[in-house]
Amino acid sequence: GDSVTQMEGPVTLSEEAFLTINCTYTATGYPSLFWYVQYPGEGLQLLLKATKADDKGSNKGFEATYRKETTSFHLEKGSVQVSDSAVYFCALNPSNTGKLIFGQGTTLQVKP
Amino acid sequence: EPEVTQTPSHQVTQMGQEVILRCVPISNHLYFYWYRQILGQKVEFLVSFYNNEISEKSEIFDDQFSVERPDGSNFTLKIRSTKLEDSAMYFCATSPQETQYFGPGTRLLVL
Repeated sequence: GDSVTQMEGPVTLSEEAFLTINCTYTATGYPSLFWYVQYPGEGLQLLLKATKADDKGSNKGFEATYRKETTSFHLEKGSVQVSDSAVYFCALNPSNTGKLIFGQGTTLQVKP
Repeated sequence: EPEVTQTPSHQVTQMGQEVILRCVPISNHLYFYWYRQILGQKVEFLVSFYNNEISEKSEIFDDQFSVERPDGSNFTLKIRSTKLEDSAMYFCATSPQETQYFGPGTRLLVL
């Protein structure tokens, strides 16, 4: 079945470091891909999305490109801040209105 | 900006008791979902709801669970007889089509 795999965490970085969180997926069709972020004690917030191959989603300095050939949707940010410390979830939606399938989440800790 | 809201934010209950978790969707959204997240684990799909009926449900969503939209605005998840393993954060999500927007969650603790 469809699935999402994320890199193991926690990821610990110093402020202004470059961030990559790897996400790969398995899907039979052409899913939409999402990154959600969960700040401590809060719910899930949509960070960015991409709906077809080669699309790049971006928001708040974060970017991810939908790579069909490598079935990946890696999250990147050029310069992280302490306020970016959170859990990041990669997710796919196999059909427009279907359930989201989440990866296990990657905890990011950014130290000053 | 419109948001999905959920009540209560926290609920503590005794095993075997019924709980009802409530969600107010964003007003023009037509698709509704419940997910849960057991502490430290991934977010899991429970059920989706469209046009006043269940579209899809997971294996977790057994006969102890039910959903309804009783008054056209609230969207509720009922657990008839709670078990210890139902302790989790429950998230409501709503969607106009493909992008789902999540509420802040209800933390349920079953003792």
